[in-house]
Amino acid sequence: DAGVIQSPRHEVTEMGQEVTLRCKPISGHDYLFWYRQTMMRGLELLIYFNNNVPIDDSGMPEDRFSAKMPNASFSTLKIQPSEPRDSAVYFCASSFPRQGHYGYTFGSGTRLTVV
Amino acid sequence: ELKVEQNPLFLSMQEGKNYTIYCNYSTTSDRLYWYRQDPGKSLESLFVLLSNGAVKQEGRLMASLDTKARLSTLHITAAVHDLSATYFCAVKSTGYALNFGKGTSLLVTP
Repeated sequence: DAGVIQSPRHEVTEMGQEVTLRCKPISGHDYLFWYRQTMMRGLELLIYFNNNVPIDDSGMPEDRFSAKMPNASFSTLKIQPSEPRDSAVYFCASSFPRQGHYGYTFGSGTRLTVV
Repeated sequence: ELKVEQNPLFLSMQEGKNYTIYCNYSTTSDRLYWYRQDPGKSLESLFVLLSNGAVKQEGRLMASLDTKARLSTLHITAAVHDLSATYFCAVKSTGYALNFGKGTSLLVTP
C-alpha cells in the first residue's frame, strides 16, 4: 500500500492566484480529512468526508477555501484567491474506523507558500 | 468544543534521563492517539489508547490513559538523541475527526 498520497509536495504561488492541493487516500478508507498546520495555530481540522460526502466543514477558514471529493480515491482542496496568511503545511489523512481498525494515516503534506 | 492541552510545549532533556509529557482533554472521548513528527515530515502514529487504564509501550516510550481524569501521559525512559521530535496527542471527537494538542517539542542532548 502506497499510503496517503498528496501532491504537490511544495507549492509557491503569488497572492491572488488559485491553488489546488490533491490527495489520494488509502484504498478502502472511507473517511478523509484535511488538516492545516502552522506554528501559531498548530494542527487544525479544515474539513472531513465520509463516503465522499462532506460531514464537517466548520474548520474551513472562509469562502476562499473549498474542498471536493468526486470519488473514493481523490480529493482536492482549493484556495481562491490565495493570501500570504494561507501559507502553511496542509495534510490529508484517511481512516477506516471499524472494530479493530483505529488508525488515521497521514500523507506527507503539501507545504504552501503564498508570496 | 473539545480542547486538548499538552504540557510542556518545549522540553530539553539530557540523554539517559526520564521525563513525562502530559495531555489533558476537555470532554469525554473513547480514543486517544499519540503521534510523532520529525522536522519537515508527516505524522507517524505511535499509540492508540482505547480504554481507561490502557497502557502501551514501544521501546523507550510508554503511554497511558485515565479517562476519568481525562489525562494521558507519554513517559520517556532513558532518553536518547533519536527521540528528538515533536510529539502530539490527539483525541477523537464525537464525530470521527481528531483534535490535536499543540505538540511538545523534545530535544535530547548529550
